[in-house]
Amino acid sequence: QVQLQESGPGLVKPSQTLSLTCTVSGASISSGDYYWSWIRQPPGRGLEFIGYIYYMGRAYYNPSLKSRATISLDPSKIQFSLDLNSVTAADTAVYYCARAKTYYYGSGSPGNGFDPWGQGILVTVSS
Amino acid sequence: QSALTQPASVSGSPGQSITISCTGTSDDIGSYHLVSWYQQHPGKPPKLIIYEVYKRPSGVSNRFSGSKSGNTASLTISGLQAEDEADYYCCSYAGITTFEVFGGGTKLTVL
Repeated sequence: QVQLQESGPGLVKPSQTLSLTCTVSGASISSGDYYWSWIRQPPGRGLEFIGYIYYMGRAYYNPSLKSRATISLDPSKIQFSLDLNSVTAADTAVYYCARAKTYYYGSGSPGNGFDPWGQGILVTVSS
Repeated sequence: QSALTQPASVSGSPGQSITISCTGTSDDIGSYHLVSWYQQHPGKPPKLIIYEVYKRPSGVSNRFSGSKSGNTASLTISGLQAEDEADYYCCSYAGITTFEVFGGGTKLTVL
């Protein structure tokens, strides 16, 4: 059974960088059949796609984040990470990592559903 | 403002059927057969219940069904049960610059 678990600081100061890690168990992140994804949910609000990364290292991002986000992979640790710089209070949210099936094999494929998800980690941006 | 539009709330009585709509554009739902739906109970992560418009992952009840017409996707839940009370989100692939877009979510109340 594939499981994902987010970790990182729960409090980040404005203008600093939010850094989170997702540890995967029960699967290899070197599979070409999946993207490894980050999605967030501000308190009481809906879901927002942040981005996902293919095992060969190519990452795809929500353009609304204006290049503030970077997703990276560490296959040796079966982890992937999110860095979000220049954070403001608007970045306060529960951050989820999730696996997305690719529609076809290969980088550049559309995603095809996020499953499973981690439990989520609340990150608050405040001084 | 979310890229996909869902009603804020729907309700139904046990045993009834309800349908939640998800309206996008020709850039997302209208162009791709890659609509997914998620169920989220309070304090829990979302759970995939429909992918590729109408397919159900293993273990998901056949009371959940999906469809699409033009720029609008729909989730139907038949035989409503108390445990179906949750928030529901749609998601669509939206091309090589935007990638994935979510709806704003619909709160289902089982009366």
